[in-house]
Amino acid sequence: DQQVKQNSPSLSVQEGRISILNCDYTNSMFDYFLWYKKYPAEGPTFLISISSIKDKNEDGRFTVFLNKSAKHLSLHIVPSQPGDSAVYFCAASAGNTGKLIFGQGTTLQVKP
Amino acid sequence: DAGVIQSPRHEVTEMGQEVTLRCKPISGHDYLFWYRQTMMRGLELLIYFNNNVPIDDSGMPEDRFSAKMPNASFSTLKIQPSEPRDSAVYFCASSERPDTQYFGPGTRLTVL
Repeated sequence: DQQVKQNSPSLSVQEGRISILNCDYTNSMFDYFLWYKKYPAEGPTFLISISSIKDKNEDGRFTVFLNKSAKHLSLHIVPSQPGDSAVYFCAASAGNTGKLIFGQGTTLQVKP
Repeated sequence: DAGVIQSPRHEVTEMGQEVTLRCKPISGHDYLFWYRQTMMRGLELLIYFNNNVPIDDSGMPEDRFSAKMPNASFSTLKIQPSEPRDSAVYFCASSERPDTQYFGPGTRLTVL
């Protein structure tokens, strides 16, 4: 039973364009959502997060959107850069427990 | 700060041997998490500690796995006896708040 799903295993975009990574969840108790980026042979790196009381959070080139009614969140990267090429994981938790449930990841390739 | 430190980075052992993975969290972080990443199951939480006390070990796969946190700056994850299906990348993470976790580089374990 996958509570957090990233249905696109991979995404390829041109440098300078927008990258949109999607994530769906099934558990309505989730109230905190995060995006992590992972390079090969490294641990996941925290990127950006959003609480369920908000529908948008922005940090530089990264913006996360949350649609609670659709149980959907997305990460927008604008403009995309070759250094953004990595695996992106979305994660969710409920009740500030620290139990993060991760999606399977989406591999983003940004072409120069 | 050096970030979360894990050792060893790579471990190759034979089935039946004891394996000990080590983690030094970021100074001042009260939460410590152990994760396992496999192709089949993705990134899954095994156990986490708050102020050196185990809070949730429901993700620990079986009795062969044990984790300890004797002090605020050190934790171990032990597998005894190890089996080939334990082969995975094991990550340690720490945080000030439960949800925004910072990951170490991981230990790649191969059990032959």
